[in-house]
Amino acid sequence: DVKVTQSSRYLVKRTGEKVFLECVQDMDHENMFWYRQDPGLGLRLIYFSYDVKMKEKGDIPEGYSVSREKKERFSLILESASTNQTSMYLCASSAALLNQPQHFGDGTRLSIL
Amino acid sequence: GESVGLHLPTLSVQEGDNSIINCAYSNSASDYFIWYKQESGKGPQFIIDIRSNMDKRQGQRVTVLLNKTVKHLSLQIAATQPGDSAVYFCAENSGGSNYKLTFGKGTLLTVNP
Repeated sequence: DVKVTQSSRYLVKRTGEKVFLECVQDMDHENMFWYRQDPGLGLRLIYFSYDVKMKEKGDIPEGYSVSREKKERFSLILESASTNQTSMYLCASSAALLNQPQHFGDGTRLSIL
Repeated sequence: GESVGLHLPTLSVQEGDNSIINCAYSNSASDYFIWYKQESGKGPQFIIDIRSNMDKRQGQRVTVLLNKTVKHLSLQIAATQPGDSAVYFCAENSGGSNYKLTFGKGTLLTVNP
């Protein structure tokens, strides 16, 4: 089974802090994704990466950056956290083959005070 | 519990009944579709997928039907159990993208014992 592990289930940070969310997958997947999930808005793509050191903006990249130094690890960075970034953050991975499902971690619930 | 289920359409069924969850997708060029299940406090879990060259696919207790003419997808769950209670949402590959999925808002399924 695919295992996508997010380092924290719950995180509380203060406005202006730099926040790192970490994600590791164990299936040697090429593609990795970061989403946020908010009530009424569903899943929205922040960034994705299709290879080491490669990244592409998703639908809502503002206020975020990412890092992919190793194939199995994809980090989401909030450069200066703001209260409107309080959300559930979900990491996913998928194989590079055509028409493959994304597999998700259990999420990090981030609160910015 | 987590708030992902707020503001969603809901379906309430009795244990042992069959459930049908519907999804209207947006892009006629999409050719790959996925159903996910999300339990409270967990990440989305892959259930079943279907490619556009098929109109039906069966898994264990689940069947997905695809009607490309009206851009409609449905998930049928046979003999629904309390453990099936969750938010279910569909995803499409955004006009044939190899990376990007567009997710529906979801339906909250409640199974009454």
